[in-house]
Amino acid sequence: AQSVAQPEDQVNVAEGNPLTVKCTYSVSGNPYLFWYVQYPNRGLQFLLKYITGDNLVKGSYGFEAEFNKSQTSFHLKKPSALVSDSALYFCAAPGGGYQKVTFGTGTKLQVIP
Amino acid sequence: SQTIHQWPATLVQPVGSPLSLECTVEGTSNPNLYWYRQAAGRGLQLLFYSVGIGQISSEVPQNLSASRPQDRQFILSSKKLLLSDSGFYLCAWSDPLLAGARETQYFGPGTRLLVL
Repeated sequence: AQSVAQPEDQVNVAEGNPLTVKCTYSVSGNPYLFWYVQYPNRGLQFLLKYITGDNLVKGSYGFEAEFNKSQTSFHLKKPSALVSDSALYFCAAPGGGYQKVTFGTGTKLQVIP
Repeated sequence: SQTIHQWPATLVQPVGSPLSLECTVEGTSNPNLYWYRQAAGRGLQLLFYSVGIGQISSEVPQNLSASRPQDRQFILSSKKLLLSDSGFYLCAWSDPLLAGARETQYFGPGTRLLVL
């Protein structure tokens, strides 16, 4: 079975500081991993995905994620946080059955001006 | 480009009333379609998914049902709403034929349902 875990319920960061939102995974074989963002009262938006290749994946809005096989992690990062980055972030991986996706529990990111 | 629509955006319904939420996708054919519920602004619960017209898989026993009368239309229904049906309902699609990326899901804007 494949699963992802987001150990932090909420992350607070000052505007302009680097941010990290953590995700660890448990998958068999080569993992596909995703990050989504959800702004208040909106649907989830796809940010980026890792399939294979470079361990550093670049996505939308200046976000990137680092795949670390030895630590089974796929942390989301951004060099300089913006107040507008405040949102709910979900890590995800295929799992739970054919063409289904398992989502993490979500991490609320609060960027403080 | 592909777009996904959901309506209504918000809905307030009395307990025991029926429900019909609609989701449509444009710009793609034969998508996989999904209904999720998000309670209290947090985790996503997969309710139903469909890999083709008339093909519905239910993930959680409940008083909700889903139908897919057309290739790009997915409907979530209930005959009698319960208080516990309140939540944020999200529809999503994925392309099952896109090699290496079929699990990427794209979400609609959601419907916020309040059952009173």
